[in-house]
Amino acid sequence: DAKTTQPPSMDCAEGRAANLPCNHSTISGNEYVYWYRQIHSQGPQYIIHGLKNNETNEMASLIITEDRKSSTLILPHATLRDTAVYYCIVRSPNFGNEKLTFGTGTRLTIIP
Amino acid sequence: KAGVTQTPRYLIKTRGQQVTLSCSPISGHRSVSWYQQTPGQGLQFLFEYFSETQRNKGNFPGRFSGRQFSNSRSEMNVSTLELGDSALYLCASSLEGRVGTEAFFGQGTRLTVV
Repeated sequence: DAKTTQPPSMDCAEGRAANLPCNHSTISGNEYVYWYRQIHSQGPQYIIHGLKNNETNEMASLIITEDRKSSTLILPHATLRDTAVYYCIVRSPNFGNEKLTFGTGTRLTIIP
Repeated sequence: KAGVTQTPRYLIKTRGQQVTLSCSPISGHRSVSWYQQTPGQGLQFLFEYFSETQRNKGNFPGRFSGRQFSNSRSEMNVSTLELGDSALYLCASSLEGRVGTEAFFGQGTRLTVV
């Protein structure tokens, strides 16, 4: 699985959009980008995933660059409950490879 | 629908003992993966089970083992506990374990070895 690089920490004002970047320059053409978050002492929570196209769901938007070497997770209107560690993960499409390789993630703090 | 359920939530064991943790996946999910989370090493993959067979294994010693039952429920066992085994143990379930599907995590079992 390709390696990802994320900033260790970020702050964002409540109500503003939080933009979390992720570099995955060695990603292969068939590898997906996944985002999870972990609120203190809880299990990681799935947020969104994508392959090539930008994706949006009720939680967030995922913007993947055309060369797929980086992506940005966007939380459109951050709330205090969005304070968490956010993990960007690249996953191989091999069948049976249910193995998530977590890096150190970005600790996002929402400021009131 | 009900999420992933892990039991117990907290456990204290003595060095040298063994422990069994349980994970009930979301109904219909056949893949169950286990992870260990420690402050020093972060989240690390232990193993994955699909239809009662271990499909993937992480880089952990043989003291860590698991199994999956016909109803997809899974158990993880750690024998001869060491102080370093103190961690949050998480399980995740997914429909088939293929990329393109989401993995849903339980709340974890916090194991303390004294």
